[in-house]
Amino acid sequence: GNSVTQMEGPVTLSEEAFLTINCTYTATGYPSLFWYVQYPGEGLQLLLKATKADDKGSNKGFEATYRKETTSFHLEKGSVQVSDSAVYFCALSVNTGFQKLVFGTGTRLLVSP
Amino acid sequence: ETGVTQSPTHLIKTRGQQVTLRCSSQSGHNTVSWYQQALGQGPQFIFQYYREEENGRGNFPPRFSGLQFPNYSSELNVNALELDDSALYLCASSLGQAAEKLFFGSGTQLSVL
Repeated sequence: GNSVTQMEGPVTLSEEAFLTINCTYTATGYPSLFWYVQYPGEGLQLLLKATKADDKGSNKGFEATYRKETTSFHLEKGSVQVSDSAVYFCALSVNTGFQKLVFGTGTRLLVSP
Repeated sequence: ETGVTQSPTHLIKTRGQQVTLRCSSQSGHNTVSWYQQALGQGPQFIFQYYREEENGRGNFPPRFSGLQFPNYSSELNVNALELDDSALYLCASSLGQAAEKLFFGSGTQLSVL
């Protein structure tokens, strides 16, 4: 089946530190990969995506590269801000005629000043 | 803000009762998906509606049912509530049944006592 595994949190960093949140996946077929972010009291927002191997998704200083050989899609940011504190979800979808996202369990990021 | 609105924001029910959750999709979007997010977990796909028809379903029992109306708004109905149904229920809209970009609402927090 299709599944996503994320590193457990919380991840606690100081402002301007480097961020990595690991994500690996198992999928049949050729999935698209996503990172979603959930701020407190809000729904999920798409952060970035990649649809094929070696694609790099990027947005707001975050980036992730679709690595087929290691089945990974790790999220990185060079310098985090307090405002980046949120829960980050890695997800995949396999086109089955309808859109079904399979999410990881989420990783909480806490950034202190 | 995504333009997807859900109501109510919070709800408390007792075991065995029935509940209806509502979602207004973003303007122009014809597809609505529902997800269940248990505490500390990633969202899980319940089902998707495209042009008023259910066209995809996750691993949820039949007591979870839905509707999509001609204006593309949607309802999620859950019968015979169980304690494990306590969760955040998220609605997401998109344009097209296989669209990769979903716009999520802020969710309805359901507590079953």
